[in-house]
Amino acid sequence: GAVVSQHPSRVICKSGTSVKIECRSLDFQATTMFWYRQFPKQSLMLMATSNEGSKATYEQGVEKDKFLINHASLTLSTLTVTSAHPEDSSFYICSARDLGFEQYFGPGTRLTVT
Amino acid sequence: KQEVTQIPAALSVPEGENLVLNCSFTDSAIYNLQWFRQDPGKGLTSLLLIQSSQREQTSGRLNASLDKSSGRSTLYIAASQPGDSATYLCAVFGYGGATNKLIFGTGTLLAVQP
Repeated sequence: GAVVSQHPSRVICKSGTSVKIECRSLDFQATTMFWYRQFPKQSLMLMATSNEGSKATYEQGVEKDKFLINHASLTLSTLTVTSAHPEDSSFYICSARDLGFEQYFGPGTRLTVT
Repeated sequence: KQEVTQIPAALSVPEGENLVLNCSFTDSAIYNLQWFRQDPGKGLTSLLLIQSSQREQTSGRLNASLDKSSGRSTLYIAASQPGDSATYLCAVFGYGGATNKLIFGTGTLLAVQP
């Protein structure tokens, strides 16, 4: 099956700094990628939809200036958490959609802001 | 607005038992429905995908059914094993306009006791 990777798997950063998370589709091209956030013992919450070569579409309540998304190629999307604060600590998961509308999920990135 | 609910929220069964997980959704205009498995601190593993035109899909000990008109899906796990312990998520993919994204259910935490 299709593989999606995320890097890093875990990151710890200090409050006020920015951190970038990469999402790659390894063996297929993904015109659309998605970024989710998951709090402990809760389901996935869609943050934004990222289309290659265009601006991301953010869900209601998600600050686009805080969560910067770039989808520069058909295999790479990045999420940058700017000026991170402890409340941004969470599990971030990306997914990539193939031409058949099936989504493949990355292994997630655990972000801890101290 | 599409809402996806899963019942029960948690389930504990002895090894060897057959079990059913339930998923309901409010808007029947869906393209497909997927069942995922999530182990603690990990990403999602796709188990089964049912297209809107299909009634069920089977993979090994897993069988998923879809009744689009009533907004319901079930995941049947036969002869459960301790290795099946995980959180199970269903997600529906809508179509048209702003609904072309996966909406996740609330999840069922399954524990299979040896």
